[in-house]
Amino acid sequence: EVQVMESGGGVVRPGGSLRLSCAASGFTFGDYGMNWVRQVPGKGLEWVSGLNWNGGSTGYADSVKGRFTISRDNAKNSLYLQMNSLRAEDTALYFCVRVSGSYFYYYAMDVWGQGTTVTVSS
Amino acid sequence: DIQMTQSPSSLSASVGDRVTITCRASQGISNYLAWFQQKPGKAPKSLIYGASSLQSGVPSRFSGSGSGTDFTLTINSLQPEDFATYYCQQYNSNPTFGGGTKVDIK
Repeated sequence: EVQVMESGGGVVRPGGSLRLSCAASGFTFGDYGMNWVRQVPGKGLEWVSGLNWNGGSTGYADSVKGRFTISRDNAKNSLYLQMNSLRAEDTALYFCVRVSGSYFYYYAMDVWGQGTTVTVSS
Repeated sequence: DIQMTQSPSSLSASVGDRVTITCRASQGISNYLAWFQQKPGKAPKSLIYGASSLQSGVPSRFSGSGSGTDFTLTINSLQPEDFATYYCQQYNSNPTFGGGTKVDIK
């Protein structure tokens, strides 16, 4: 079964750091672009970051640029999101999402994890 | 960044109704448009990609149309399991989502 599963969420103080992980299974991870999408409870979906099949090209939403870093380890079938200088407004459910091709845009999002919750609070 | 404007933000409908949701892009995106369905407490589910192609396993009562800047999701003969929130999303460049349309029971 094709699936992705997030981990690493938790409670962190403003200004703190957290690293999210996403474990992929059931497909050749290194062939696909990947994204992180977040959702504040009761609100809409917001794209956070994406990278292509080999990590050579990345993109970030303006709201996280300079604070978050996306990366991947194809040998471990894993995607990561390093989140630094966290703010209260980063509190959300973070989804790991596969796209149907090698680049993080030009291909549709097709496989979603269940999400991991990040809470930034003092 | 490309802005996606979805309308309406909510609607009430009955089982068997035909429902139409529209999505407008702030600039042309060809057919790089997807639609997702989300139910409370669940991850979004992909319905349509390429503006009009149905994902595998999605019922044929769902259909999508449009190209360029204006797009439509239509649900023919609304079923009880279709009450949910729907999002459009462009992937012509860094992805962006519409604000969502909540479909509830009239």
